[in-house]
Amino acid sequence: GNSVTQMEGPVTLSEEAFLTINCTYTATGYPSLFWYVQYPGEGLQLLLKATKADDKGSNKGFEATYRKETTSFHLEKGSVQVSDSAVYFCALTLQGGSGGSNYKLTFGKGTLLTVNP
Amino acid sequence: EAGVVQSPRYKIIEKKQPVAFWCNPISGHNTLYWYRQNLGQGPELLIRYENEEAVDDSQLPKDRFSAERLKGVDSTLKIQPAELGDSAVYLCASSQHGSGTFSYEQYFGPGTRLTVT
Repeated sequence: GNSVTQMEGPVTLSEEAFLTINCTYTATGYPSLFWYVQYPGEGLQLLLKATKADDKGSNKGFEATYRKETTSFHLEKGSVQVSDSAVYFCALTLQGGSGGSNYKLTFGKGTLLTVNP
Repeated sequence: EAGVVQSPRYKIIEKKQPVAFWCNPISGHNTLYWYRQNLGQGPELLIRYENEEAVDDSQLPKDRFSAERLKGVDSTLKIQPAELGDSAVYLCASSQHGSGTFSYEQYFGPGTRLTVT
């Protein structure tokens, strides 16, 4: 089946530190990859996405590159802010799958990031 | 543009009681999803609707859970009777599928946090 494995949290950083959250996946087909962010008390928001190998998704200073050879989609940011404190989820869907599998998001367990001033 | 609306935001009930959650998707979105998010886990799909048709309910515990999407817009998810293990956040999401659109982007509501005592 399909699965997503994220690095365990919590991750605590000081403001302006460099962030990496590791994500690896297994998929029965060709996946699209996503990072979602969940701020306290809010729903999940799409942060960035990539749909083919070597694509780089980016948004709000965050980046992730679709690495097919290592089945990874690690999230990075060069300088975190206190406002980045949230839970980050890596997820995938299959492209062109049957039975609606291309609509089903499979999530990792999430990584809690806390950024201190 | 209004986002996905869910109500109530919080619900506390005793076990064996019934409970219902309501979701209003983004206007024009024909696909609606219900997810369950257990504490410390990523969301897991319960059911997916295309318009008013439930096209994937394979993960819905049908002995106590039911859902409907009359007229292909709003949706209600019901649990009867609730069990202690049903305590979780119930998330609704919607997306627009069709030619020329990015089929994989789902927009999430804030969720309903259910506590069963």
